[in-house]
Parts: sequence; C-alpha cells; structure tokens
Amino acid sequence: EAGVAQSPRYKIIEKRQSVAFWCNPISGHATLYWYQQILGQGPKLLIQFQNNGVVDDSQLPKDRFSAERLKGVDSTLKIQPAKLEDSAVYLCASSLDSGTGLIYGYTFGSGTRLTVV
Amino acid sequence: DQQVKQNSPSLSVQEGRISILNCDYTNSMFDYFLWYKKYPAEGPTFLISISSIKDKNEDGRFTVFLNKSAKHLSLHIVPSQPGDSAVYFCAAHNAGNMLTFGGGTRLMVKP
Repeated sequence: EAGVAQSPRYKIIEKRQSVAFWCNPISGHATLYWYQQILGQGPKLLIQFQNNGVVDDSQLPKDRFSAERLKGVDSTLKIQPAKLEDSAVYLCASSLDSGTGLIYGYTFGSGTRLTVV
Repeated sequence: DQQVKQNSPSLSVQEGRISILNCDYTNSMFDYFLWYKKYPAEGPTFLISISSIKDKNEDGRFTVFLNKSAKHLSLHIVPSQPGDSAVYFCAAHNAGNMLTFGGGTRLMVKP
C-alpha cells in the first residue's frame, strides 16, 4: 500500500509569513494526526482528526495554527503568521482508527522541514 | 511537564550484542506503550507496542518489557545489527487519545 504522502519536503520562510503543509493519508485510514518535532525532541501532537471531525486540538496554538481535513481524506496544516520557534519538522500520520493505531502503530509520512528565518 | 522520558540520549553497542533502550513515565493512566524507530529524513516507523495489562511483548528480535510498579519500560534488541542504528522513541497513550513521545535515544550499532 502507498504510504502517507506529505508536501513540500522543505520550506524556508521569513517570520510573519504564512505557510501551508499538505498530507494525504493511507487510503481508508479514518484517523489522521499532525505532529510537530523540534530538533532534539520527540514529536508533539498538534491535532487529531477522526474522518473530518477534530478529536483533539488541545495543543494546537490556535492563534496562528489551523488545520482542516476536507471530506475526511487529505489534510492541510497552516501557520499564519510564522514565528522563529515554529522551525521544526511537521509530521503527518494516519491509522485505520485510534484503537488499531495502538496495536499496529500509526504510519508516519516523511515530514516537512520548516525553517523560519 | 515531561510525562515520558528517555534519559539516555545515545547508546553504542557492538554488532551481535544486546541493545537495551529505556523509558520512564509518570502518568499511571497510560494504557498503551509503543516504540518507534526513526532514520534521518524519514518519518518514525512503528516497531512494537504493549498494553498496560501485559508485562512483555515479543516480535522477532524486538522485545518490550513493562514494569508498571516502577513506571518503566525497556526495548531489547537481540542480536543488534548495523541497520538498527537509528533514533528510537518510546510513546505512551492515555484514554484521551493522545500519544506522548519521549525525547528519543540514538542507537549506534558498530560492525
């Protein structure tokens, strides 16, 4: 099966600019996650979708970050305006459902490396 | 507040020997624990998981041990191979559907 697709792979922007990341999960996976991984740290959950509904966005900085999952398939994550501390790898992951994801793991994409200068 | 900690940032092991990666947690409500492996420029790859009602789970060369009283889990890789060189993350799940990751341990397996 095809993996989780993410684009772009790399992005460099100036602070206060906006940026968007795109994710296409594995076909049939109902649960989609966006994680932020700062250099030297483990991934941190930003938002979790079940189909096109938000399950958890408690750690999403809603004043600048937004995410949507149209029709329960693709998802986009946007940052507006970006800050220097947003420099990180943004990982998208998916699983059949949240329960299956615990037993068989989430499938992660390769991520988008964002550098804010 | 780091609920999941991997106190060893790096570990070096000779090929063929056992690699033991450790993880400590503070939240007794975690119900599942997972291990992921990450190569540079790639996303994390799932290795193995364990439910909080078990104390051991094995899959090929990988075994995870869970000690609930000590709030400690470990991943054993036997025998270690050079291809196992990567960053390993432990992660813990709570009923709120959130997966919390540790900071990672870089494993280097020397030929």
